[in-house]
Amino acid sequence: GAGVSQSPRYKVAKRGQDVALRCDPISGHVSLFWYQQALGQGPEFLTYFQNEAQLDKSGLPSDRFFAERPEGSVSTLKIQRTQQEDSAVYLCASSLRTGAGNTIYFGEGSWLTVV
Amino acid sequence: RKEVEQDPGPFNVPEGATVAFNCTYSNSASQSFFWYRQDCRKEPKLLMSVYSSGNEDGRFTAQLNRASQYISLLIRDSKLSDSATYLCVVNRARGGGNKLTFGTGTQLKVEL
Repeated sequence: GAGVSQSPRYKVAKRGQDVALRCDPISGHVSLFWYQQALGQGPEFLTYFQNEAQLDKSGLPSDRFFAERPEGSVSTLKIQRTQQEDSAVYLCASSLRTGAGNTIYFGEGSWLTVV
Repeated sequence: RKEVEQDPGPFNVPEGATVAFNCTYSNSASQSFFWYRQDCRKEPKLLMSVYSSGNEDGRFTAQLNRASQYISLLIRDSKLSDSATYLCVVNRARGGGNKLTFGTGTQLKVEL
C-alpha cells in the first residue's frame, strides 16, 4: 500500500530485552515522527526527523530510547532494556514537507507489551 | 497541567443527536489546530483542520477561539459510524517541523 507501514504490528518482550521497531514512511515524505500512545491516552511526541537529521528528540523518555533514520527514508526506534512502563503503541507518522499545515499520516502502530 | 485538555467522556448519544466537544490549550504560541479521529485499535486520522473563522465539513463544524484558547467540534445528526475517540490537536511548529500535541481524546458512542 501507499501508507505508512510499521513492523512488527505486535511485539511481546520480556523485561530487560531490547526491541527494534521499524517504520516505512510514505515515499518521498521528508518529515518523520515517532509517537508513544499509552492505553487511554493521546499520542505523546517522542522524536522528529527531517530527512536523515534528527531535529527534535525532546520527547524520548530516557536514554534507553534511540531513533535513527540513516538514509532519510526508513526509521528504526530502538528501546533498550525494556521496562513494563514502556508498554504502549508506538506510532510512526510522516508528512510530505515540513511546516505547520502539512498533513501528517500515521501508521497503524507497533503494539509493545513488556512482561 | 496538560498542554491540551479534553473531557475524556464517554459521551453516549442516540443516533441523530447533535453532540459538541470542547478542548482548551495552554500554549498561546500554538500555530495550527486540528481534530483527529481514532477508531478502536487504529491509528489517528485527520478529521478536519480548525480555523478562527470556523469551518464546516458536512455534518461536522469546528471552531477556534484564539483569545480564549478554546477549540470546539460539533457533530450534527450523529451516525453509528461516528463512534470513535476524537482527539484535539495543536501544532506549535514555527520555522519548520510539525510537532503535534494531542489531547487525551473524547470518546463518543452513538447508540440506536
